[in-house]
Amino acid sequence: QVHLVQSGAEVKKPGASVKVSCKASGYIFSGVYMHWVRQAPGQGLEWMGWINPNSGDTNYAQKFQGRVTMTRDTSISTAYMELSRLGSDDTAVYYCARQGMWGGGDIWGQGTMVTVSS
Amino acid sequence: DIQMTQSPSSLSASVGDRVTITCRASQGISNYLAWYQQKPGKVPNLLIYAASTLQSGVPSRFSGSGSGTYFTLTISSLQPEDVATYYCQKYISAPWTFGQGTKVEIK
Repeated sequence: QVHLVQSGAEVKKPGASVKVSCKASGYIFSGVYMHWVRQAPGQGLEWMGWINPNSGDTNYAQKFQGRVTMTRDTSISTAYMELSRLGSDDTAVYYCARQGMWGGGDIWGQGTMVTVSS
Repeated sequence: DIQMTQSPSSLSASVGDRVTITCRASQGISNYLAWYQQKPGKVPNLLIYAASTLQSGVPSRFSGSGSGTYFTLTISSLQPEDVATYYCQKYISAPWTFGQGTKVEIK
């Protein structure tokens, strides 16, 4: 069975960085793009970017260019999303989502709450 | 970037009612449109992809239609467990773009 398991909740101070992990199981990790999506409290879904686990190629939303880095470790089937220079408006649940064969997100991680507070 | 606009932003209907949510794309996206259901505090759950293909395990009361710039999600007979926020998403190319969501409640 396909699963994406994310790392636990984080509390960070403004200006700090956070790195969230997403461990995949039940499928060939390197064969499918991984996307990251976030959701601020009471708000909608916001796409952050994707990583091709096979090549390491990335594509980031313009809003996060220069602040987000997506990486992967194929040996442990894990994708990472690091966001730097955190502000209070980065407080959100961060999801990883596997790109299904049809192009959108078919399997989602359970989400990681990141709270930015002084 | 292509923008996705959902309407209404919220609705209240009775159990058994037929409910329709619309999603408009600012440019044509063929049928590269998905619908997700998100219950409070839960992960988004895929309902429909390719505008009208029901994801395995999703009840048949959910259906989708449309192509190009206009799409609809219909719940043929609203059930209490359908209380949730529904999002459309275009995935024809990066970026994935989501509608702002439609909150469905029981009257």
